[in-house]
Amino acid sequence: VQLQESGPGLVKPSGTLSLTCAVSGGSMNGSHWWTWVRQSPHKGLEWIGEAHHSGTSNYNPSLRSRVTISLDISKNEFSLRLTSVTAADTAVYFCAREPSRIYLDCWGPGTLVTVSS
Amino acid sequence: DIQMTQSPSSLSASVGDRVTITCRASQSLSGYLNWYQQKPGEAPKFLIYGASILQSGVPSRFSGSGSGTDFTLTISSLQPEDFATYYCQQTYSVPRTFGQGTKVEIK
Repeated sequence: VQLQESGPGLVKPSGTLSLTCAVSGGSMNGSHWWTWVRQSPHKGLEWIGEAHHSGTSNYNPSLRSRVTISLDISKNEFSLRLTSVTAADTAVYFCAREPSRIYLDCWGPGTLVTVSS
Repeated sequence: DIQMTQSPSSLSASVGDRVTITCRASQSLSGYLNWYQQKPGEAPKFLIYGASILQSGVPSRFSGSGSGTDFTLTISSLQPEDFATYYCQQTYSVPRTFGQGTKVEIK
């Protein structure tokens, strides 16, 4: 399985960050969960949230009011939407697969998103 | 949130050395502890889950141990490709949390 993030590398403050993760070489059905993690020098690795094809999702409470993770099984991709961004949301964003919610075994290469006017 | 604390934050070692990294959780994890390796400019690479189970393809010089709140990652004989930053992660509860990382540098 391979994952690849895509989306704008620059977002304006107060805007919405939208990223997509394309999944190739495997199905998004089954027991796997699909996850977003971000990394910044200030906060290190930060788990954003996860979603399952059943419609269940879990989010980091620190971001819950601003984040949505959605799956498009027909396109074999999932997405991240983060609203009302500030400079603190500047980070490298990774998508990852989480088999049975135990570990993150496959990661995308990551994409840098900068929040700046 | 469960706080994950790694020590040391960095270490210098030579090829062939035995290296030990510690991860302590703020509450018991019932074994839901993972280890990852990250090299500059790359995504983390999954090494160990369940505190001690090696992912397929990970060299046997890597091992994990521990239970409850205290866990250890050991590299029995450091190789040139092992110089990297290592992170622990708990998947016992939401939100998943990571340690701050341990950078293994060349002495």
